[in-house]
Amino acid sequence: GAGVSQSPSNKVTEKGKDVELRCDPISGHTALYWYRQRLGQGLEFLIYFQGNSAPDKSGLPSDRFSAERTGESVSTLTIQRTQQEDSAVYLCASSSANRGGYTFGSGTRLTVV
Amino acid sequence: AQKVTQAQTEISVVEKEDVTLDCVYETRDTTYYLFWYKQPPSGELVFLIRRNSFDEQNEISGRYSWNFQKSTSSFNFTITASQVVDSAVYFCALSGYTGGGNKLTFGTGTQLKVEL
Repeated sequence: GAGVSQSPSNKVTEKGKDVELRCDPISGHTALYWYRQRLGQGLEFLIYFQGNSAPDKSGLPSDRFSAERTGESVSTLTIQRTQQEDSAVYLCASSSANRGGYTFGSGTRLTVV
Repeated sequence: AQKVTQAQTEISVVEKEDVTLDCVYETRDTTYYLFWYKQPPSGELVFLIRRNSFDEQNEISGRYSWNFQKSTSSFNFTITASQVVDSAVYFCALSGYTGGGNKLTFGTGTQLKVEL
């Protein structure tokens, strides 16, 4: 597609439930990144995909967080047993190379109540 | 490890004033990229500029200009004749240049408020 698409745009979930966030990168972009932005704060790196492998998962905050990617297309970020501290905007970005040219999606605003 | 510091958390100016947003970075990479992004109240991240560490030329784009000083590890951003529409959070970011995938390391952002 023309841009990075994320769905849903907003998600409200009850504490303890699992959620799945989806990212559709720009077609042909081999690199895909997930970031988290808590209210009023900067962006925290979560995970990076090159194709469907994840060479850098260093930012995942706990084992409740996982992500996968199908080929060089859609990625899903899953948060299990959500906690209130997981409330944030989750942003996805894609890039056509390992450096430069990142395009961000509009994010998924997750609220855990 | 990479680090980006934006010491100014919030800046308020009156329209038409010039304003400079500071960015200082740390990296062990000899080659890297520096970025500025704008995040208006709507929330999307808008790409403003990418600068390769090899290129220390300053850049001007309309009312925006960037001053890259490798000697002081700074990449400052100036808005000339600010406008209300410039009100946003501005993020400076850094990525490496190695082959293994280069995540962006962001600063904590500077909230710019431009008032009439």
